[in-house]
Amino acid sequence: AQSVTQLDSQVPVFEEAPVELRCNYSSSVSVYLFWYVQYPNQGLQLLLKYLSGSTLVKGINGFEAEFNKSQTSFHLRKPSVHISDTAEYFCAVSDEYNQGGKLIFGQGTELSVKP
Amino acid sequence: DSGVTQTPKHLITATGQRVTLRCSPRSGDLSVYWYQQSLDQGLQFLIQYYNGEERAKGNILERFSAQQFPDLHSELNLSSLELGDSALYFCASSANVAGGGETQYFGPGTRLLVL
Repeated sequence: AQSVTQLDSQVPVFEEAPVELRCNYSSSVSVYLFWYVQYPNQGLQLLLKYLSGSTLVKGINGFEAEFNKSQTSFHLRKPSVHISDTAEYFCAVSDEYNQGGKLIFGQGTELSVKP
Repeated sequence: DSGVTQTPKHLITATGQRVTLRCSPRSGDLSVYWYQQSLDQGLQFLIQYYNGEERAKGNILERFSAQQFPDLHSELNLSSLELGDSALYFCASSANVAGGGETQYFGPGTRLLVL
C-alpha cells in the first residue's frame, strides 16, 4: 500500500531564509507526486506536481521540488520565504494503476515564517 | 477560488443525527472526490464518483454514503453521527478519471461539529 511521510510536523523559519519541507513516499509502482498548500480556513491549493520527465519541478509562488526515485523522496524547497508563505503544506501521492486517482496525503508540515 | 463550491461552510449538530454536505464541481469536471480532514487521522480519501458512478472507495464508514447527480453535483450523507465524526470535509473535482496524475481542485470545505 502507498504511504507518504512528511518528516517534519513543524518548520519555523525567518523571513527571506531558504526552506526545505521533506516528503518520502512508499510505493511499489510508478507514482505521481503532488504538493498542496492549505492557508488558514481555506481549502487546498496545488503548488506543483510531478508526473514524469524532468525530476525538478517548478510550481507557483517560487516553490520547486525534486523527485528522487532512488531515495523515494519529493522534497519541497523555496530559496527565500515570505511571511505570506505561512501555511500548512501537504505532500500527496497517486499512482497510474489506481483507479480513480485518489490522493494519499502525508500528515502535513506547518511552515511558520517569522519576521 | 478553485471553482469548487461546498455548502454549508459550517454545521453543528448532535450525536445520532444525520447531515448532508453538498458539493458543486468546477464547470466541466466529471470526477468528484470526498476527503475528511481530522486532527487524529489527517487528510483521508473517502469516496470518488465519476459522471454519476462510484469509481473508488477509501476508508468510508458504512454510516456514510454519497452520490453524484446528473448535473454532476455531489452529496455526502453522514448518519448516526458520533463525536469522532467532527472534522473538515473537503470535496475536490477533476476533469476525468485518469489513472492518477490529474490535478484535483479542492473546495473550501465544510466544518462539521458533532456535540
